[in-house]
Amino acid sequence: AQSVAQPEDQVNVAEGNPLTVKCTYSVSGNPYLFWYVQYPNRGLQFLLKYITGDNLVKGSYGFEAEFNKSQTSFHLKKPSALVSDSALYFCAVRDIKVPSTLTFGKGTMLLVSP
Amino acid sequence: EAGVVQSPRYKIIEKKQPVAFWCNPISGHNTLYWYLQNLGQGPELLIRYENEEAVDDSQLPKDRFSAERLKGVDSTLKIQPAELGDSAVYLCASSYQGTGELFFGEGSRLTVL
Repeated sequence: AQSVAQPEDQVNVAEGNPLTVKCTYSVSGNPYLFWYVQYPNRGLQFLLKYITGDNLVKGSYGFEAEFNKSQTSFHLKKPSALVSDSALYFCAVRDIKVPSTLTFGKGTMLLVSP
Repeated sequence: EAGVVQSPRYKIIEKKQPVAFWCNPISGHNTLYWYLQNLGQGPELLIRYENEEAVDDSQLPKDRFSAERLKGVDSTLKIQPAELGDSAVYLCASSYQGTGELFFGEGSRLTVL
């Protein structure tokens, strides 16, 4: 079975500071990894994905994520946070060999203060 | 390009009443998903369709929930009868050939009184 852990319910950061939202995963084979963002009363929006290749993936709105196979992690990062980045962030995983759907983490609320 | 369209956005019903949600996926996307999202939680899969075939419905509570995807395009999710615990957001998503990147609709928020 595949699973995702997001150990932090909430991350607080000041505007202009770097941010990290943590994610670890578990799959039996190789993973496809995703980050989604959800603003209040909205659906989930795709940010970025890792399929294969470079471990550092760049996505929308200046976000990036680093795949670390040995630590089974896929942390979301941004060099300089904006107040408008405040939202709920979800990490998701799918096993490459299994045509299953995405399994999501419980989400991490990011709050960026002015 | 139009995104995934869901309706209604909000629905309030009394317990034991029926309710239905509709989803129109992105054109050309053959895979359609219904997810359940409880407050403060991540989405949980209810059912996945490949074209008109339900290929994963293991998490769908079949005693009260049903879904269909006629002609492999639009889909309807029904609850009958609704219970208090069904209050949640029901998300529809679609993808192209199950490649992994899902596109979500705005969701249908159900409140059962």
